[in-house]
Amino acid sequence: QKEVEQDPGPLSVPEGAIVSLNCTYSNSAFQYFMWYRQYSRKGPELLMYTYSSGNKEDGRFTAQVDKSSKYISLFIRDSQPSDSATYLCAMLLKGRAQKLVFGQGTRLTINP
Amino acid sequence: GAVVSQHPSWVICKSGTSVKIECRSLDFQATTMFWYRQFPKQSLMLMATSNEGSKATYEQGVEKDKFLINHASLTLSTLTVTSAHPEDSSFYICSAPSGRGYNEQFFGPGTRLTVL
Repeated sequence: QKEVEQDPGPLSVPEGAIVSLNCTYSNSAFQYFMWYRQYSRKGPELLMYTYSSGNKEDGRFTAQVDKSSKYISLFIRDSQPSDSATYLCAMLLKGRAQKLVFGQGTRLTINP
Repeated sequence: GAVVSQHPSWVICKSGTSVKIECRSLDFQATTMFWYRQFPKQSLMLMATSNEGSKATYEQGVEKDKFLINHASLTLSTLTVTSAHPEDSSFYICSAPSGRGYNEQFFGPGTRLTVL
């Protein structure tokens, strides 16, 4: 079993829809949870990070963490074609050489 | 956010030659940098952790003699793919944590290596 599971998609939604992206994890020792956006042939771009259960909002993006269920989500409101990209969740174990553990990434397409 | 650059962005080389990829933190210092490779439609695979002033730490299965890493300064790490072969063709990406912690890592734009 992988430490971090993420549905690779692809996920295709119409412009303006609310998008929900999710990851589950098995190691309860993960303490930091990140979401990255990666456009084709580019490096990942950090969108948000959280470290506690609950919601964190930044513009059209909301990151949600449920540590009891070992489940994290990223919500995108009013989705735009420019949001079309691969979204990667990543997690960090405190004290384990500080290496990020990535999910597989979800390919998202927003259709105009 | 902090900026990490990579050079070159794209390189084509002949089989058997060596290729050097540079990773620079432009507006902050990084005592640690990470090197990843990514195959099409796959996630990032950590290759090694680059430490300024000391030897790199390689992940299991990564040949340290083939992928030479040097972290000579607080803003520069290099990855040299020695005696490259077509199976080394991939997208190589580096990252560096900002001064605010490892949870805030910034990635370079990546280097696409094609070995003929």
